[in-house]
Amino acid sequence: AQSVAQPEDQVNVAEGNPLTVKCTYSVSGNPYLFWYVQYPNRGLQFLLKYITGDNLVKGSYGFEAEFNKSQTSFHLKKPSALVSDSALYFCAVRGVPNTDKLIFGTGTRLQVFP
Amino acid sequence: DTEVTQTPKHLVMGMTNKKSLKCEQHMGHRAMYWYKQKAKKPPELMFVYSYEKLSINESVPSRFSPECPNSSLLNLHLHALQPEDSALYLCASSQDLSDNQPQHFGDGTRLSIL
Repeated sequence: AQSVAQPEDQVNVAEGNPLTVKCTYSVSGNPYLFWYVQYPNRGLQFLLKYITGDNLVKGSYGFEAEFNKSQTSFHLKKPSALVSDSALYFCAVRGVPNTDKLIFGTGTRLQVFP
Repeated sequence: DTEVTQTPKHLVMGMTNKKSLKCEQHMGHRAMYWYKQKAKKPPELMFVYSYEKLSINESVPSRFSPECPNSSLLNLHLHALQPEDSALYLCASSQDLSDNQPQHFGDGTRLSIL
């Protein structure tokens, strides 16, 4: 069975500091991995994805994520956090051969303090 | 601005009412999705349409009835809902089912059942 784990309910970071939001996954076969962000009273916005190729994936708003097959992880990172990055972040996975469903993690609330 | 438009943004209804949620996309996507999201939780998949045909029903109660009149529109008809159905209902679309493209989400309809 496919699953995604986001071990931290909340991550706090000071503005200007680097941030990491953790995600680990479990799938049979090769994974398609995604990060989404949700601001209050909004839908989910796509940030970035890993399908194949370079393990370091760059996405929107200066975010990047590193795929680590041996650790089955796909952590989201940003070198310098902004207060406006404060939001709810979801990691998601689809297994290959594909299923029709996107499996979401439980979400991590990122709080960036001025 | 999101490319998936959902109306209404807010809906309050009684348990005996009948109402409909609407979703529209003009990106030429052939897969469309309904999700239910409770506060601070990940989205839960309800229905998936592929090429205007119902592909997945995640054992959703019959008081929720989806409809896909054409490739750009997706409706969710509501009847005799329960207070526990109060949630944010998100519509999403993607290029196709079972591919590596991200899902694009609308901003949702916030539904309150009195």
